[in-house]
Amino acid sequence: NAGVMQNPRHLVRRRGQEARLRCSPMKGHSHVYWYRQLPEEGLKFMVYLQKENIIDESGMPKERFSAEFPKEGPSILRIQQVVRGDSAAYFCASSRSSYNEQFFGPGTRLTVL
Amino acid sequence: QKEVEQNSGPLSVPEGAIASLNCTYSDRGSQSFFWYRQYSGKSPELIMSIYSNGDKEDGRFTAQLNKASQYVSLLIRDSQPSDSATYLCAAPRSGGGADGLTFGKGTHLIIQP
Repeated sequence: NAGVMQNPRHLVRRRGQEARLRCSPMKGHSHVYWYRQLPEEGLKFMVYLQKENIIDESGMPKERFSAEFPKEGPSILRIQQVVRGDSAAYFCASSRSSYNEQFFGPGTRLTVL
Repeated sequence: QKEVEQNSGPLSVPEGAIASLNCTYSDRGSQSFFWYRQYSGKSPELIMSIYSNGDKEDGRFTAQLNKASQYVSLLIRDSQPSDSATYLCAAPRSGGGADGLTFGKGTHLIIQP
């Protein structure tokens, strides 16, 4: 499968727990983007990363949320102390360069109980 | 705040007709635009990208860009029931492409058999 991979596809957490979402970009892509889609709302940009660098995190809440894209391994979006309002679909996209089209993974549906 | 605006619909089109989806944007510096299709419960799928004024055709899809009027449209010829989905218009947040995307809220298209 040469597409963007995300896991888990579904994640259930209780309030106060941590959620860790993973994204492996398409082969040959070095740019990773995370988006959040709340129920009945549009896609919202969260963070843009390249290997070992956060390029733009202006769309990400300043507290409880963090992202990384290490030299080896997938990009990770981490949400600490989850609250019910964090329940959403989280999508990862990748592109070959910052000027190219972005291709989306299948998403992780996070449910906070 | 750069904005991308779409009519949320629903837009109902008979099977076999042309579906016309429109999008306006606020940033005159935007250089590239993307149309994504999203089925309910699924991730966005890239359909078309357009970078210059004029038309770009790909199969049954035609994207049109008018930078002077700041609008971009998507035409779907010979509409099929499988085209029923939400169509998202997007532009780079920075205008030049080196960033995540700003999405419109999407137009819900219904193709009536």
